[in-house]
This record gives sequence, C-alpha cells and structure tokens, in this order.
Amino acid sequence: AQSVTQLGSHVSVSEGALVLLRCNYSSSVPPYLFWYVQYPNQGLQLLLKYTSAATLVKGINGFEAEFKKSETSFHLTKPSAHMSDAAEYFCAVSGQRGFQKLVFGTGTRLLVSP
Amino acid sequence: DAGVIQSPRHEVTEMGQEVTLRCKPISGHNSLFWYRQTMMRGLELLIYFNNNVPIDDSGMPEDRFSAKMPNASFSTLKIQPSEPRDSAVYFCASSPPQGLKGYTFGSGTRLTVV
Repeated sequence: AQSVTQLGSHVSVSEGALVLLRCNYSSSVPPYLFWYVQYPNQGLQLLLKYTSAATLVKGINGFEAEFKKSETSFHLTKPSAHMSDAAEYFCAVSGQRGFQKLVFGTGTRLLVSP
Repeated sequence: DAGVIQSPRHEVTEMGQEVTLRCKPISGHNSLFWYRQTMMRGLELLIYFNNNVPIDDSGMPEDRFSAKMPNASFSTLKIQPSEPRDSAVYFCASSPPQGLKGYTFGSGTRLTVV
C-alpha cells in the first residue's frame, strides 16, 4: 500500500523567496512519485514526476524535486517564487509494477505575497 | 491531443433531480478515474476503470451514485436523486497503460444542488 503526507496545508512566501513544499511517502514497493498543481477553477496539472531514473527531477515553471529514499521524501522546491505560483500543490504516489492507482496527498496551498 | 474532456463545465440542479456528468478520456488511455473535490474533504477517488471494467468503486459515497464506461472513449457519473451535499467539483482523469505518465485531468464539472 502507498500513502503520502504533505506537511503544512498552507505555505506563505514572499515573491522572490525560496519555495519548499514537503512530501513524505510510504510505499511497500518501489514508488513512482508525482507533483501536481491546481490553479483556481482548473483541473490538476502534472508538474513533474519521478520514475526511478534521475533522483533530481525538473519540471515545468522552474520547479524541481529530489527523491530521497533514505528519508522517504520527495520535496518540491523553486528558487524564486512568482506571484503566478500561487496555487494548490498535490503530491502523489503509485507503485511501479503493473496497474497501480495514484494516491494523492491532502494538498498544500501556496500563497505568494508581493 | 484534446485532453480529457468533461461536460458540462457547470451544472445547477434542484434537489431530487438526476444529474449525469460526462467524460471523454484521451485516446489510447485505458484507465479512467472519477474524483470529487470539496473544501471539507479534499480530493476523493470515487471509482476507477481499467479497460472499461470497474476495478474499485469503494469510494462511491452512496447507492445514489453510479458510473458506467460503455466503451473506451466515454464514461458517465450519475447521481440520482441529487442532494445539496453532493455539491462539489467532479473531475475525470485518464492514464495510459503504464504508470509512468501519471494521470491527465479534465477541467472538472462544478455541480451545485440547490
């Protein structure tokens, strides 16, 4: 079974500051890990994914995440926040073998102030 | 690629009425998922299909909810009779046979039951 825990339902940063959204996973099998972003009144959009190749994964809009097996973490970062990054971010996990459904975290709302 | 197409985008109905939400997955995707999103409960997986067959409907809240996938290019989620507590945004998502690419979400249907 898989699960993810997102620490902090809300994260506030200033424009230009570092963005760090935390995600820890639990999986009984080697995982695939994903970050999705949801802008207001829109569906979820894939930001980036880890599929057992490089542990540092780069995604759209300058975001990246690092898979750390020893820490069971997949934190999302961006060096400099933009106002347009304000959205809700979801971490998700699935197993690697066969058909496996994605299990989503509860989401973290990122607030960016001028 | 037109993406996952959901209709209608908005639905307002009176309590007791039947509501049907529609979804067209991406061509070639063999898994389809129905989610419900509310402020209180976040993102909930209602049901998912693999190769048009329902695999897990344990998330369907009550017998008032039913879902079908008559072919690979169409699915419906029906609520009969609808109740005000069913008000939410309903998302459809699809994914290809391998888990590498994650899910592609539709833009959602915002349902309001008055």
